[in-house]
Amino acid sequence: KQEVTQIPAALSVPEGENLVLNCSFTDSAIYNLQWFRQDPGKGLTSLLLIQSSQREQTSGRLNASLDKSSGRSTLYIAASQPGDSATYLCAVGVGYGQNFVFGPGTRLSVLP
Amino acid sequence: DTAVSQTPKYLVTQMGNDKSIKCEQNLGHDTMYWYKQDSKKFLKIMFSYNNKELIINETVPNRFSPKSPDKAHLNLHINSLELGDSAVYFCASSQVGDGYTFGSGTRLTVV
Repeated sequence: KQEVTQIPAALSVPEGENLVLNCSFTDSAIYNLQWFRQDPGKGLTSLLLIQSSQREQTSGRLNASLDKSSGRSTLYIAASQPGDSATYLCAVGVGYGQNFVFGPGTRLSVLP
Repeated sequence: DTAVSQTPKYLVTQMGNDKSIKCEQNLGHDTMYWYKQDSKKFLKIMFSYNNKELIINETVPNRFSPKSPDKAHLNLHINSLELGDSAVYFCASSQVGDGYTFGSGTRLTVV
């Protein structure tokens, strides 16, 4: 059974810092991995999708990497801004129908 | 145009009632899902439908019954609501190999 963990559970940084969020999964047989952000009381916004054959994806200040063999993904946020404050969720696509298994999330606060 | 839309956004109801949540996607995706986010904010899959056929049915009470009239719609009907059913329910859709697109969620409060 696939299990997904995220470290740290919460992170508080001053504006402008570069930061890394970590995601680990127990079974390397995945279809893909997707990073989301969730603002309080809101839905999920897709940030980056990495297919199992890919090593990384970039969008603006965000870069996500995937190392299937070690069961890890990282989300790198450059030059963090207060607007980046949210919960970041990692989800791993597994099985027929591409069921996504979610991690518990990292709650990020970027202080002005 | 909203890609995945859920209604209602908020639902407050008494224990024992029956309620439905509707979901529609206009992305042409083949697969739709229902996820539950509990008070600890953990997201867990409930159901998955591919082209109107049920393919994932996780361990949820049989009071929860999904219905897919066509591949663009996946509704969730809940019978005999209990206090523990209070949560945010998210609908999502995907095409196999692509990522998920989520709806904005339905916050269900059972009183």
